[in-house]
Amino acid sequence: NAGVTQTPKFQVLKTGQSMTLQCAQDMNHEYMSWYRQDPGMGLRLIHYSVGAGITDQGEVPNGYNVSRSTTEDFPLRLLSAAPSQTSVYFCASSYSTLAGASSYNEQFFGPGTRLTVL
Amino acid sequence: RKEVEQDPGPFNVPEGATVAFNCTYSNSASQSFFWYRQDCRKEPKLLMSVYSSGNEDGRFTAQLNRASQYISLLIRDSKLSDSATYLCVVMTRSNYQLIWGAGTKLIIKP
Repeated sequence: NAGVTQTPKFQVLKTGQSMTLQCAQDMNHEYMSWYRQDPGMGLRLIHYSVGAGITDQGEVPNGYNVSRSTTEDFPLRLLSAAPSQTSVYFCASSYSTLAGASSYNEQFFGPGTRLTVL
Repeated sequence: RKEVEQDPGPFNVPEGATVAFNCTYSNSASQSFFWYRQDCRKEPKLLMSVYSSGNEDGRFTAQLNRASQYISLLIRDSKLSDSATYLCVVMTRSNYQLIWGAGTKLIIKP
């Protein structure tokens, strides 16, 4: 199993450019999510999906779009990059997010994408 | 006030020592609690879940205090390889979303 993979690992964009961050998992997980991590702050949820065809907004969705056409893939699209979107982006997956401290909740993360917007 | 707060550290601890740090949460409806570990420039990985009765995994002990709304992580006989940032994570009953603390940085010195 490759687990959760993300591409690219590094990216530099100019303000106004668009791009897609790719995320894939081979664990047949229902739940996938995108986070951004900024210095001094906890991971913040951008968008999430509880299954193919279903997506929803997280805490900081503005400026980002997602789609979930298959169980495996969950790409994140930056519509018009801004310097405020400079961050490290993590994709994560889990079996589910049912309440309870069980193995179903364990989040498996990809290696991250370090994005700089100039 | 942040929903989940952690002392950012760093905690500088000699090898072999015991170290403990806490994480406070503001939402009394929080239901599930976790500790994740994040190495420098790497992704977070689950260290352990935190159960109401407290739980232990080798040198690591996690405890939950619902009355005071905090969880703790104790590391005994610390190793150089324990150097990392420890992230506290809380799940609320209302929407099952995970709320992440900013992390506590731990440095174990030889």
